[in-house]
Amino acid sequence: DTGVSQDPRHKITKRGQNVTFRCDPISEHNRLYWYRQTLGQGPEFLTYFQNEAQLEKSRLLSDRFSAERPKGSFSTLEIQRTEQGDSAMYLCASSLRTSGRWNEQFFGPGTRLTVL
Amino acid sequence: GQQVMQIPQYQHVQEGEDFTTYCNSSTTLSNIQWYKQRPGGHPVFLIQLVKSGEVKKQKRLTFQFGEAKKNSSLHITATQTTDVGTYFCAGPTNTGNQFYFGTGTSLTVIP
Repeated sequence: DTGVSQDPRHKITKRGQNVTFRCDPISEHNRLYWYRQTLGQGPEFLTYFQNEAQLEKSRLLSDRFSAERPKGSFSTLEIQRTEQGDSAMYLCASSLRTSGRWNEQFFGPGTRLTVL
Repeated sequence: GQQVMQIPQYQHVQEGEDFTTYCNSSTTLSNIQWYKQRPGGHPVFLIQLVKSGEVKKQKRLTFQFGEAKKNSSLHITATQTTDVGTYFCAGPTNTGNQFYFGTGTSLTVIP
């Protein structure tokens, strides 16, 4: 499968614990995005990378959230000191930036986080 | 801040009826994309509109981008059960730094 993959698919953690999610984009894609989606809502933009550079970070992303894309390939999203309000589906997407546009994004299956 | 609203939030139609969802942004979008998310699935790209007033068709689906680039619509003719899902509009702000999804319209098709 050459699509976007995410790991783990499900994560249950206790409040206060740290969690880390991984996203592997489509190999030739230079842009990678992280979104959060709660039930009945649209995906909320969190951050995105172009190659290894983090170009934008939403104000939704508190200091407890950090994302990296060290070699411009896979990315990790870490949440420190998780809170119950962090429970959501975390979606990763990738795209190929051409002509300065925001092109079609390919989404992974998501990581569902439950904070007890 | 940026808001992208869609109406209606939910729509139930009989199979064969038409369906339309409307997308309205509080600010101008440089382009607009539409995605479909099946229940339990992830968003899947449908189309991108770039030009003011642009209209594109994909089989039974017709997409339109408003003249002011602040609104858009998706119309499905003669719905089928395979059209079930939530339809989202989405786009970058004019500054191009963030990408916003609309609130979505959930379509149920009754056979």
